Amino acid sequence: DIQMTQSPSTLSASVGDRVTITCRASQSVSSWLAWYQQKPGKAPKLLIYKASNLESGVPSRFSGSGSGTEFTLTVSSLQPDDFATYYCQQYNSYPFTFGPGTKVDIK
Amino acid sequence: EVQLVESGGGLEQPGRSLRLSCAASGFTLNNYVMHWVRQAPGMGLEWVSSIRWNNGATVYADSVKGRFTISRDNAKNSLYLQMNSLRAEDTALYYCAKDKAGSGSSGFDIWGQGTMVTVSS
Repeated sequence: DIQMTQSPSTLSASVGDRVTITCRASQSVSSWLAWYQQKPGKAPKLLIYKASNLESGVPSRFSGSGSGTEFTLTVSSLQPDDFATYYCQQYNSYPFTFGPGTKVDIK
Repeated sequence: EVQLVESGGGLEQPGRSLRLSCAASGFTLNNYVMHWVRQAPGMGLEWVSSIRWNNGATVYADSVKGRFTISRDNAKNSLYLQMNSLRAEDTALYYCAKDKAGSGSSGFDIWGQGTMVTVSS
């Protein structure tokens, strides 16, 4: 199985900050990687698919990059609505696996 | 509006069974790969199972293989998860999710609100 790790596990930031979350895979997943945002009590929301493709309706301040085993999610200017937990997920091969999550909270 | 609505969760004893349902609206479920994902209280996301639209092929996480069965009813535009031999570690919020893709995967773009399963004596 492909193991996914994320860093940091928690990130304290302020509105307007540029924020970067890193996701690493235990083996290459090519570009078959997605990023999700989850708020308390809500279902996850797809932000990025195929490593760098912005899902329809997602603000352009979100961007993704990387391939192979190392990926990043960047929020160019953090907004109040962006405080949440972020998960990466590989869908290169079954079993699909998620990272443990990165919680972005208010500094 | 594209929507998924899960139902069927509840409190069940270890060793017993539950059947989860997921009703789709606004799209034809049979055109996409569909998934079940679960989240234990306070924990992260765990993929559980998938069913492909074209041939109905199914895939399971090792943790549920042999105990859970994913299926769909095209006429009812619904997805199901039959959960047998329940264990305490199956306690979680269960989400059904639609894939962007009809085969393979391109990310899970539509999620239901989840249905809670609690396994306890």
